[in-house]
Amino acid sequence: DTEVTQTPKHLVMGMTNKKSLKCEQHMGHRAMYWYKQKAKKPPELMFVYSYEKLSINESVPSRFSPECPNSSLLNLHLHALQPEDSALYLCASSQRRSGEYQETQYFGPGTRLLVL
Amino acid sequence: SQQGEEDPQALSIQEGENATMNCSYKTSINNLQWYRQNSGRGLVHLILIRSNEREKHSGRLRVTLDTSKKSSSLLITASRAADTASYFCATERSLGTYKYIFGTGTRLKVLA
Repeated sequence: DTEVTQTPKHLVMGMTNKKSLKCEQHMGHRAMYWYKQKAKKPPELMFVYSYEKLSINESVPSRFSPECPNSSLLNLHLHALQPEDSALYLCASSQRRSGEYQETQYFGPGTRLLVL
Repeated sequence: SQQGEEDPQALSIQEGENATMNCSYKTSINNLQWYRQNSGRGLVHLILIRSNEREKHSGRLRVTLDTSKKSSSLLITASRAADTASYFCATERSLGTYKYIFGTGTRLKVLA
């Protein structure tokens, strides 16, 4: 199984709502990532989890709150978002995070988020 | 500014032609990867080239890496309509904080 799944595929939420994005992989990968991608732009790294611990937070606003309950699951909790947060949110995983060599990342299909 | 800048930003070719896209980066890298993204979907890994490699092939794909010029190119030979997608290079800095950064991307359109 080389698949990363994300739910939901689409999400529309108001600025006062609380919602969560979910990501799951069963490849035994120990590094998981959240990216944000605006239209016609490259993905931008938001968070990195390594062995279920948050290792990188790219100065993301606190209205985005990641959570890694176990090695297969990654959540992104959303609260009080702004319209400019509307984007495609991509989850990815890799075997492990290493400073010595780059790991191939496997991406999910993304959640398209619209904030009204 | 972006770690990876790609050119051209957009490329339109006829089916059967070759497509070449380039990626330039700024800092030392361990290796460089190319990904494809179909419209509004996740990214698919195409090929990885390590910093001590100069050229790599995978099917119709040929990637070159010139670390002295801090640049890489992706060649797709005998293109097909199904190759229509955005192509991104991705690099990880070899020094300092781990950071996996995507280039600006090339939007390829292959006309049938």
